[in-house]
Amino acid sequence: EPEVTQTPSHQVTQMGQEVILRCVPISNHLYFYWYRQILGQKVEFLVSFYNNEISEKSEIFDDQFSVERPDGSNFTLKIRSTKLEDSAMYFCASSDAGLEGNEQYFGPGTRLTVT
Amino acid sequence: GENVEQHPSTLSVQEGDSAVIKCTYSDSASNYFPWYKQELGKRPQLIIDIRSNVGEKKDQRIAVTLNKTAKHFSLHITETQPEDSAVYFCAASPSGGYNKLIFGAGTRLAVHP
Repeated sequence: EPEVTQTPSHQVTQMGQEVILRCVPISNHLYFYWYRQILGQKVEFLVSFYNNEISEKSEIFDDQFSVERPDGSNFTLKIRSTKLEDSAMYFCASSDAGLEGNEQYFGPGTRLTVT
Repeated sequence: GENVEQHPSTLSVQEGDSAVIKCTYSDSASNYFPWYKQELGKRPQLIIDIRSNVGEKKDQRIAVTLNKTAKHFSLHITETQPEDSAVYFCAASPSGGYNKLIFGAGTRLAVHP
């Protein structure tokens, strides 16, 4: 069964540094998402992406964040200047249609630790 | 925007008992309600979902009910087993949001042998 993959599994960075989290969505999916989960808390929506552009973003997704689909398979989340409060698990997800109610498949996550 | 409330935050049951987790949502336009199970350090895994044109859906030991008028939905697990122990999240998908999911705070279910 196809799965969403993410790399790295764990990223440690110093405050102020840039990080890029990578995701490979399921190959025939067209809608892509990033969520984050601070330890012990709920999963929070960051951004959705379709047709090479952001379709919606949350208040969390400020100017420090950006997303890109640099080729036909990868989907990246960049944090330009990390802060301590960016420490969280970041999940990528994808779905195969924009019709409301389609299942989102989650990747295994990247644990980001900002020191 | 959409807000999802989930109760209880923790639930402890004996093996074989039933477990019920309840969620309420605020956006009456939401029409998709999935439930995810998350084991420690793992990704959220969809276990069941329901759409607003259906009142109840069942899959073996798991069932979900939806009351659109009251804007609440519930997860029912019967004959619980120790491997059901995990954190369960409900979510709602508001209309026009390209399927973004708004999650509840989660319920930590412990099933004791």
